[in-house]
Amino acid sequence: NAGVTQTPKFRILKIGQSMTLQCTQDMNHNYMYWYRQDPGMGLKLIYYSVGAGITDKGEVPNGYNVSRSTTEDFPLRLELAAPSQTSVYFCASRDTTDTQYFGPGTRLTVL
Amino acid sequence: AQSVTQLDSQVPVFEEAPVELRCNYSSSVSVYLFWYVQYPNQGLQLLLKYLSGSTLVKGINGFEAEFNKSQTSFHLRKPSVHISDTAEYFCAVSDRYGGATNKLIFGTGTLLAVQP
Repeated sequence: NAGVTQTPKFRILKIGQSMTLQCTQDMNHNYMYWYRQDPGMGLKLIYYSVGAGITDKGEVPNGYNVSRSTTEDFPLRLELAAPSQTSVYFCASRDTTDTQYFGPGTRLTVL
Repeated sequence: AQSVTQLDSQVPVFEEAPVELRCNYSSSVSVYLFWYVQYPNQGLQLLLKYLSGSTLVKGINGFEAEFNKSQTSFHLRKPSVHISDTAEYFCAVSDRYGGATNKLIFGTGTLLAVQP
């Protein structure tokens, strides 16, 4: 039982490049989330999904897009990367008691 | 809407000493409460949670927390810490009846630094 997996672990992008952060869960959870974590700021919600085909914006969605074609996968797309998107990105899924299970994170640097 | 305040950004403590990490929340509705731990360069891991029932909740690694509704607090405690407890600790709250769009609201974290 792998839980929540994320790829890649690390990535360096140049300003203006695009990339997709992958997230997969094997717990059959309907709810999935993308957060970014900046030093001293806690976690900020970027996007979330309540099931396949249904997504919605969180607190800080600008510059990002998501899709949810299957229960297992919830990729996060960065278009036109900017230095402000340098952060650590966490994907999570949630069970019926509101408990969230986090992936190991993707450390992204935009130069 | 809910909010979470972790007043201490950093708590230094000596090994084998007791520790308390403070968490206060604000909410107009009934809540679920969580503590997560993040070890260096890792994701967040659930430490313990309060859903209902006994207000004293025991978690992994010898941690416990007490839900105090009148003081809107959920402080985390451990009677004797180890070097391996050095990590960032996050308190989080969610609306008990929030439904499908319910979200976790996180505090800004407390770094527990255990010194030998």
